[in-house]
Amino acid sequence: GIQVEQSPPDLILQEGANSTLRCNFSDSVNNLQWFHQNPWGQLINLFYIPSGTKQNGRLSATTVATERYSLLYISSSQTTDSGVYFCAVERNTNAGKSTFGDGTTLTVKP
Amino acid sequence: DAGVIQSPRHEVTEMGQEVTLRCKPISGHNSLFWYRQTMMRGLELLIYFNNNVPIDDSGMPEDRFSAKMPNASFSTLKIQPSEPRDSAVYFCASSLRYLRELFFGEGSRLTVL
Repeated sequence: GIQVEQSPPDLILQEGANSTLRCNFSDSVNNLQWFHQNPWGQLINLFYIPSGTKQNGRLSATTVATERYSLLYISSSQTTDSGVYFCAVERNTNAGKSTFGDGTTLTVKP
Repeated sequence: DAGVIQSPRHEVTEMGQEVTLRCKPISGHNSLFWYRQTMMRGLELLIYFNNNVPIDDSGMPEDRFSAKMPNASFSTLKIQPSEPRDSAVYFCASSLRYLRELFFGEGSRLTVL
């Protein structure tokens, strides 16, 4: 099956810093999402981004499908950004089966 | 609009007992997914339904696990009998259809003693 690798596995930032999280995948995909799992365990949609670039406030994401990677940018980080960020991909040939990466654990210190 | 609703939020039970987890998907969504999250295995897809029909249950770990979707607004995941290794957070998610945005419920944290 498709492999999803996220990096870095752990990231510690000072409040106000910027960061880039990466998601590499081993085969072509038709769907890619970024999620944030907050410290209470809730999985929150950030972006549905099979290709291109999207922005939502301090967060933005870019997926380059032809090169099989996606990037999540967090600017001016806040303590509420702490948690685990997951990338999930889905292939048309295996529709319905999203494969999740292992996540990047982000800790933002005040 | 209400999101995906799961119950119970927390369940503590003893080994051998039956456990039933419930899910109400977002109204109008026709795909429903059950995931399990553990530290060791991360997020695993157990089963998914499209238009109330189970499409792929290859992720269901054993015959002790079963899932049903009797109508478009309700699904259950049952474990009988439960074992300590079933302890995990079980998430339900729904989407408008395949290859569309996935929305998760808040999860049901199961502890089997």
